[in-house]
Amino acid sequence: GDSVTQMEGPVTLSEEAFLTINCTYTATGYPSLFWYVQYPGEGLQLLLKATKADDKGSNKGFEATYRKETTSFHLEKGSVQVSDSAVYFCALSGTQGGSEKLVFGKGTKLTVNP
Amino acid sequence: EPEVTQTPSHQVTQMGQEVILRCVPISNHLYFYWYRQILGQKVEFLVSFYNNEISEKSEIFDDQFSVERPDGSNFTLKIRSTKLEDSAMYFCASSFQGSYNEQFFGPGTRLTVL
Repeated sequence: GDSVTQMEGPVTLSEEAFLTINCTYTATGYPSLFWYVQYPGEGLQLLLKATKADDKGSNKGFEATYRKETTSFHLEKGSVQVSDSAVYFCALSGTQGGSEKLVFGKGTKLTVNP
Repeated sequence: EPEVTQTPSHQVTQMGQEVILRCVPISNHLYFYWYRQILGQKVEFLVSFYNNEISEKSEIFDDQFSVERPDGSNFTLKIRSTKLEDSAMYFCASSFQGSYNEQFFGPGTRLTVL
């Protein structure tokens, strides 16, 4: 079945450091890819998405490019802030006959220190 | 900004008891979902609901589970006879459209089965 593998955490960075969180997927068909973020005590929020190969999703300085050839959707940010501390989830949907369900990775906890 | 709400935030119950987790999706959304996350594990899809019926369910969603939209605003998940392994964070989500459309998540209900 479909699956998402993302970088194990936790990740600890200093403010203004460069961030990469790796995400690869296995899927039948052509999924849409998502990054969700969960701040402490809150629900999951969509951070960015890409619906087809070579699309780049971006939001709040975060970017990820849908790479079909490497089945990857790595999350990057050039300069992280303390407020970016959260858990980040890579996910896919839209495979297997138009399934609506999201398939998530395990999540990567990011802590940014001042 | 409209949001998905869930009650209670934390539910403690004895094994074998019935629990009902409640969700109020965003008002003009048509698709509703439940996911769960056992501590330290992935967020897992349980069920999707559209047009007053289940559109998809996972292997986890067995006869112990049921969902209902009793009125125009609430969406509930019932677990008939809770087991220790049902202890998890349960997330409700809703979307306006199905596949490829952003799912908006609630803050979750932490269920603890003793």
